Amino acid sequence: DADVTQTPRNRITKTGKRIMLECSQTKGHDRMYWYRQDPGLGLRLIYYSFDVKDINKGEISDGYSVSRQAQAKFSLSLESAIPNQTALYFCATSDPGTPDTGELFFGEGSRLTVL
Amino acid sequence: QKEVEQNSGPLSVPEGAIASLNCTYSDRVSQSFFWYRQYSGKSPELIMSIYSNGDKEDGRFTAQLNKASQYVSLLIRDSQPSDSATYLCALSGYSSASKIIFGSGTRLSIRP
Repeated sequence: DADVTQTPRNRITKTGKRIMLECSQTKGHDRMYWYRQDPGLGLRLIYYSFDVKDINKGEISDGYSVSRQAQAKFSLSLESAIPNQTALYFCATSDPGTPDTGELFFGEGSRLTVL
Repeated sequence: QKEVEQNSGPLSVPEGAIASLNCTYSDRVSQSFFWYRQYSGKSPELIMSIYSNGDKEDGRFTAQLNKASQYVSLLIRDSQPSDSATYLCALSGYSSASKIIFGSGTRLSIRP
């Protein structure tokens, strides 16, 4: 089983619908992140959480919200989806205790299409 | 100006040659630098990290950091078709509370 699991892997929805992307991890890491990837734009940080009580906005948080339900779970919500939120979404974790503090462990991605 | 700039490519390199990938950044307080490789349809994976000025070698990969000029590069020696991927430059700041920011990536193609 994957250490970082994202559900759903693929989702097609309509404009205005509420969507939740879920992420769970078995790595025991405190830090979790949500990124979105668009062609030619690399990975852009949406939200990140350094522990259960800590939530921070990233570069592009407008239109998104998150919930850190437990150390192992970090969910991303789109309250009212719009077409320009069509993208590939990645959840990632990291462990600040390791020497390579920039090593992110990614889930397999969730491809979201908003019609 | 974007925080992390990369040439989007595609960069085409013959098999066996050296591939050179470059990245510049705007925030002088950035302290940690990373290269991730992403195969098409897959998630990124860390291949190199560098924190000090100079070169760091790991097998066929060499990362180079020049903080005064604010650039970091990745050299891939003896390029193989399996090196064909998108390479993402990333950085984080001085404190352990810093977030990790990515560039837009350079697509590398190794031609046989």
